[in-house]
Amino acid sequence: EAGVVQSPRYKIIEKKQPVAFWCNPISGHNTLYWYRQNLGQGPELLIRYENEEAVDDSQLPKDRFSAERLKGVDSTLKIQPAELGDSAVYLCASSLAEGPSYNEQFFGPGTRLTVL
Amino acid sequence: GNSVTQMEGPVTLSEEAFLTINCTYTATGYPSLFWYVQYPGEGLQLLLKATKADDKGSNKGFEATYRKETTSFHLEKGSVQVSDSAVYFCALSLYNNNDMRFGAGTRLTVKP
Repeated sequence: EAGVVQSPRYKIIEKKQPVAFWCNPISGHNTLYWYRQNLGQGPELLIRYENEEAVDDSQLPKDRFSAERLKGVDSTLKIQPAELGDSAVYLCASSLAEGPSYNEQFFGPGTRLTVL
Repeated sequence: GNSVTQMEGPVTLSEEAFLTINCTYTATGYPSLFWYVQYPGEGLQLLLKATKADDKGSNKGFEATYRKETTSFHLEKGSVQVSDSAVYFCALSLYNNNDMRFGAGTRLTVKP
């Protein structure tokens, strides 16, 4: 079974530039999450999708961040414009909505963003 | 609010030493508890979990017991290997996985 796929793995941009991250969850996983992980810290949730609906985006800085999950499968997270403080690893995770493993999240390898 | 506190690292051990990484939690309600591991350059992998008091999660020689009376979920392994070198995260989630909170992580280095 393929895991959560993310691309790119690394991205270096200058401040004020836009950037986008892509995630393909595990097949059949209805729930998709985007996290930000700052250096030396644990992941913090940015947004959670149930199918194509964003059900928790309270921690997403909506002035510069946006996300979409068209057709309830792949998802894209965008930052425009990027700021120096956005440098972090952006993790995507997915999980089943029900069943014995419903509360287990499976993570992708992440995208390491460096803003110069 | 809901949060997890885990012992600060880094932790450095010799191969075959005993490992304990402490984790305590604060939660309104009855959380599920998790340990995730992150190897260099990789995403987080679920190591073990427990969903109710006195449950013991175990995997790859690691164990953790859900202690409601002490609000703890300490990770233990009897004999660590060099390949266990990684960052370990304690986490909790409430209800239907809609609020996963992670600790800051503990970096473990095992030397041969």
